[in-house]
Amino acid sequence: ETGVTQTPRHLVMGMTNKKSLKCEQHLGHNAMYWYKQSAKKPLELMFVYNFKEQTENNSVPSRFSPECPNSSHLFLHLHTLQPEDSALYLCASSHLGQGFYGYTFGSGTRLTVV
Amino acid sequence: GQQLNQSPQSMFIQEGEDVSMNCTSSSIFNTWLWYKQDPGEGPVLLIALYKAGELTSNGRLTAQFGITRKDSFLNISASIPSDVGIYFCAGQLPGSNYKLTFGKGTLLTVNP
Repeated sequence: ETGVTQTPRHLVMGMTNKKSLKCEQHLGHNAMYWYKQSAKKPLELMFVYNFKEQTENNSVPSRFSPECPNSSHLFLHLHTLQPEDSALYLCASSHLGQGFYGYTFGSGTRLTVV
Repeated sequence: GQQLNQSPQSMFIQEGEDVSMNCTSSSIFNTWLWYKQDPGEGPVLLIALYKAGELTSNGRLTAQFGITRKDSFLNISASIPSDVGIYFCAGQLPGSNYKLTFGKGTLLTVNP
């Protein structure tokens, strides 16, 4: 149990579907992140939320829509995706404040767009 | 954006051998972190380094924060099959509000 839980673990969706990825952290952290991990590419930061406010959108297409209702939950809403969006989507959390101890990652959602 | 150059890209070693990998950058970092990612899982933090010159161990793993603050290395001694995975370095730039920059990873394969 990593303290950061992502659901579902695997998702197959058609290009016209709408789905959501969920992330929940039980660590008392106040910042949450979405990363995309594709084969043979470095981790790509997508969105950053600090204290529930979005502080970064790394030029992500509008077919990805994040939502952070509170500091423990983060969603990534997906619609009209493309096959090249197939990847491992990782959620992470961290504590901003006194000291920095890195990010804690979830196990990821393996997304396949067909 | 800022880049971390992580090498080697991949390694194939025999069980029992020692392993060394490193990350370099043209920028100074406040913090260096090393993560390991098992297949189908998210990265897990192995070692965190906070001061230039710091040398920290975690079992068979040893990592150092370069004295120039622009590099870090990770050593694994006496490798075992479960060391297989992708190892990532990550650095936190000054003034980045704790945002991490990641290397591209080193894929380690250990032959029993």
